[in-house]
Formats: sequence, structure tokens, C-alpha cells
Amino acid sequence: GEDVEQSLFLSVREGDSSVINCTYTDSSSTYLYWYKQEPGAGLQLLTYIFSNMDMKQDQRLTVLLNKKDKHLSLRIADTQTGDSAIYFCAEVYNQGGKLIFGQGTELSVKP
Amino acid sequence: AAGVIQSPRHLIKEKRETATLKCYPIPRHDTVYWYQQGPGQDPQFLISFYEKMQSDKGSIPDRFSAQQFSDYHSELNMSSLELGDSALYFCASSSTSYQETQYFGPGTRLLVL
Repeated sequence: GEDVEQSLFLSVREGDSSVINCTYTDSSSTYLYWYKQEPGAGLQLLTYIFSNMDMKQDQRLTVLLNKKDKHLSLRIADTQTGDSAIYFCAEVYNQGGKLIFGQGTELSVKP
Repeated sequence: AAGVIQSPRHLIKEKRETATLKCYPIPRHDTVYWYQQGPGQDPQFLISFYEKMQSDKGSIPDRFSAQQFSDYHSELNMSSLELGDSALYFCASSSTSYQETQYFGPGTRLLVL
């Protein structure tokens, strides 16, 4: 079935690292994505990882993929107050098809 | 770089009225997707088009219809609006010739009174 799960809330202090976790179900997904949504705003593509990779680093962002456990994580290093937002992981359901989103993790960064 | 354009950005309608949402994909993108995001919810897939043909259909009510035109822009037509249709409607576009990553527009916020 189609199911992507995330924890709903995460609170960190400015300067700390944040780790947002996600589990997915479709083992045939070719790409897995992280999107960021600020209040009242659209979905900003943050990063993605191809399913044959274990890790991808992009500046402050590190994505880890455990394909065996169908577990995806996003680590944000040196978290800033501007990182406060809702973070959605998403998998592609059938190649080129619709995105299935998790419920979103609300990240709160305290000064 | 050009992004996905959606219009209008905000729309207020009465119950039972109709609404038309427009989406202009990134140039050279051939696939358009529509998603609905209710308050506090994750985006839910409605429908998609590839090369002007419907390619996939999700939880789209029969009251809604959509199409993709020859210039690749897409319109989502919503009739007999209900209070529950109040949501943020996103359009995304992708290119089948490059990775198929979906890029989202800023959304249209629809409020049905």
C-alpha cells in the first residue's frame, strides 16, 4: 500500500543538528524527496536521493537512506531559526507518477 | 530560473459556485500534477497529465475536472463547490526526459464560504 510516515514535531536549539525521520512502503520508488513548507507558503524542493544511494550531502543537509528498512532521514547541521518549517518526505508511486507524502514534521528552532 | 506559475493565488467563492485554477509549468516540462492540501494535512494527489493526456488519477471528486492544453498549461475546474473544498491547491511540473523531479508552484488558496 501507499504509506509514508513521519514524526509530527521536533524542537531543537539554534546551532544544534536536527534529524527528521521517515519510513516509506514502496520499495520500487526510484527517488525519495524532502520538501520544506513555511507557513502559508508553497512546497520547496530541498533535496532528493536516488534509491541506489545510501547517502547524499548537500551543504548543511545530509540524507541517509536505509533501503532494507525503508527508512529515510534528513539531517540539518547548524540549525538556524530560518529552518523552522514543516518538512515533508515523499516517495514516487510508480516511476514518473504521483508523490506520496508523509504527514510532515514541524521543526521548531529555539534561539 | 523560471518556476511553476499558478493563478489566481487566492480565491474566495460561495457554496455551489464554480472555480477555475490555472497552472503554467516550467518551460520544457511535459508533465503536470495537481495536489490538494487541506489545513494541517499533507498534500494529496488529484490528477496528472503527460503530453496533454491524463496519466494518473487520485482522489479527485467527480465535481472536478482538469485538462492540459497544447501549450502545456493546465486548468483545474471545480464545480458545485463545497465548504470542504477549502484548501491549498498545488500544481507541480516535471520533465520525463530529466529525472522527473516535481517542482511545485506557490499554490492557490481557495476559500469556500
